[in-house]
Amino acid sequence: DSGVTQTPKHLITATGQRVTLRCSPRSGDLSVYWYQQSLDQGLQFLIQYYNGEERAKGNILERFSAQQFPDLHSELNLSSLELGDSALYFCASSVLVGTEQFFGPGTRLTVL
Amino acid sequence: KNEVEQSPQNLTAQEGEFITINCSYSVGISALHWLQQHPGGGIVSLFMLSSGKKKHGRLIATINIQEKHSSLHITASHPRDSAVYICAARRGSQGNLIFGKGTKLSVKP
Repeated sequence: DSGVTQTPKHLITATGQRVTLRCSPRSGDLSVYWYQQSLDQGLQFLIQYYNGEERAKGNILERFSAQQFPDLHSELNLSSLELGDSALYFCASSVLVGTEQFFGPGTRLTVL
Repeated sequence: KNEVEQSPQNLTAQEGEFITINCSYSVGISALHWLQQHPGGGIVSLFMLSSGKKKHGRLIATINIQEKHSSLHITASHPRDSAVYICAARRGSQGNLIFGKGTKLSVKP
């Protein structure tokens, strides 16, 4: 158990819908990262937050947004969902930017 | 060409064999991570290294910065080592990672 929690574990929804994925980092970790793992693209970095502020952006679609709250938990919002958004979404956390990352168990999103 | 390349893509070994997985990267990095992903999907961080060599139990990771190459070795492999091993490069001062496509390892008893 890495200490990073993600909810929900599984999510099945329809095209056009909006969902929110939640991540609680390990106690004491200030940095949160979101990654997407799809069958065709593999693991890709989406976005990073540090102590509530956005620090880096990767291949994140405009339909996706995220934030990190004062209690350091983070949410990833996915809207206008498409079939291609079906993937595993991982959150990871680290104490500081650039230190070892610990991964959550992931949220498996299925868009029908 | 991907910025992080792994080989082999698939690897089957007999229990007890010495295993090597290779990772080459084409960008400047601040650190190289090795991750393990089990069939259930969970990802575990094995190593983070920026130079030299690290060892944890039967796992050894090395990196050669000049050659932009890293290796993950597993000694005395066991069926429970069966997983996908992923190398990931961290660029610059930000923590975000660029991932290889993974090596699927299957260790037969």
